[in-house]
Amino acid sequence: GENVEQHPSTLSVQEGDSAVIKCTYSDSASNYFPWYKQELGKRPQLIIDIRSNVGEKKDQRIAVTLNKTAKHFSLHITETQPEDSAVYFCAAIDGNGGSQGNLIFGKGTKLSVKP
Amino acid sequence: KAGVTQTPRYLIKTRGQQVTLSCSPISGHRSVSWYQQTPGQGLQFLFEYFSETQRNKGNFPGRFSGRQFSNSRSEMNVSTLELGDSALYLCASSFVSGPGDEQFFGPGTRLTVL
Repeated sequence: GENVEQHPSTLSVQEGDSAVIKCTYSDSASNYFPWYKQELGKRPQLIIDIRSNVGEKKDQRIAVTLNKTAKHFSLHITETQPEDSAVYFCAAIDGNGGSQGNLIFGKGTKLSVKP
Repeated sequence: KAGVTQTPRYLIKTRGQQVTLSCSPISGHRSVSWYQQTPGQGLQFLFEYFSETQRNKGNFPGRFSGRQFSNSRSEMNVSTLELGDSALYLCASSFVSGPGDEQFFGPGTRLTVL
């Protein structure tokens, strides 16, 4: 089955700086990689995702890159703001011989943006 | 469109008891997945239901079970509760649940086992 590793576990940046979170996955059959943001006491919410036929995707200050050969993908947040402070989870669909639906998550990165 | 709802939001149980959690997906969504979230292990996949059938199951003991009804609402049951079952249980729904189908999470049920 799929295994997802996420680094770093905590990240502290100054407001306005960039933040980068990296994930690796093990199953070369995985083809969908979402990123979720979870604020304290709230539910995880999708912020961006990427499919394996694309190398990079941007949405305003957020971008995700995917390297299929190396089996890693990264989240980039530019011009960070205090409201970006949250726990970020990367995930990969478990290829599992063609089954669908179950996301395998990394252990999360707690991002703190200091004003 | 109403979001995913979960009931109850909080539960306190003692070891050995059993518990049933409920999840109502977004209208029209047919897939419901369940996850356990703990500080040490993060988000771990429990199982996924689609059209009343369990399609996938994570690495949890048989004490964890679930089902889905014809209206796509889902329940999960944990029998013979252990202290380590204390966690936030999240369900997520999606329209079909294939690669690329966004999963929308509910607010979770916070289970405390004493």
